[in-house]
Amino acid sequence: GDSVTQMEGPVTLSEEAFLTINCTYTATGYPSLFWYVQYPGEGLQLLLKATKADDKGSNKGFEATYRKETTSFHLEKGSVQVSDSAVYFCALKSGSGAGSYQLTFGKGTKLSVIP
Amino acid sequence: NAGVTQTPKFRVLKTGQSMTLLCAQDMNHEYMYWYRQDPGMGLRLIHYSVGEGTTAKGEVPDGYNVSRLKKQNFLLGLESAAPSQTSVYFCASSSPSSEAFFGQGTRLTVV
Repeated sequence: GDSVTQMEGPVTLSEEAFLTINCTYTATGYPSLFWYVQYPGEGLQLLLKATKADDKGSNKGFEATYRKETTSFHLEKGSVQVSDSAVYFCALKSGSGAGSYQLTFGKGTKLSVIP
Repeated sequence: NAGVTQTPKFRVLKTGQSMTLLCAQDMNHEYMYWYRQDPGMGLRLIHYSVGEGTTAKGEVPDGYNVSRLKKQNFLLGLESAAPSQTSVYFCASSSPSSEAFFGQGTRLTVV
């Protein structure tokens, strides 16, 4: 079945540091890929997405590129801020079949940014 | 612009008690989902629905039941709560072409 593996946390960075959170996946067909963010005490919000190979999703300074050859969707940001402190989830939605409406999530990576 | 609304936001139950969590969405989405979130486990799908009157089991369905009598509502029931069901529960909805939209969560403690 489908699966998502993302780097274990927690991750602690100083403000303005470079961020990378690794995400790799296993899926049949051509999945869509997502990064969700969860701020403390809140639900998940979509951060960015990519629906086909080589697509780059971007939002709020975050970027991720859909790499089919390496089955990866790593999240990056050039300069993190304290307000980026949150839990980040990588997820996929299978492109076809009976489960094409279901999201499969990674376990989440907690990011803390210190001033 | 409500999106996905969950009630209640917090609840404490005694072992063996029952309760129902309500999820309502105003985006006319076909698909609705219930997830639970536990430390170190990410989000795990409990049950889902692809349309009014239809439901299906997800990854961790045992001890839960669901109903989707109206398109905009998706109810999650616990018939006899157990401490292992202490968790944060999230409802989500989506259309075939959209991402999933999540509610704010329900924090349930079973003592």
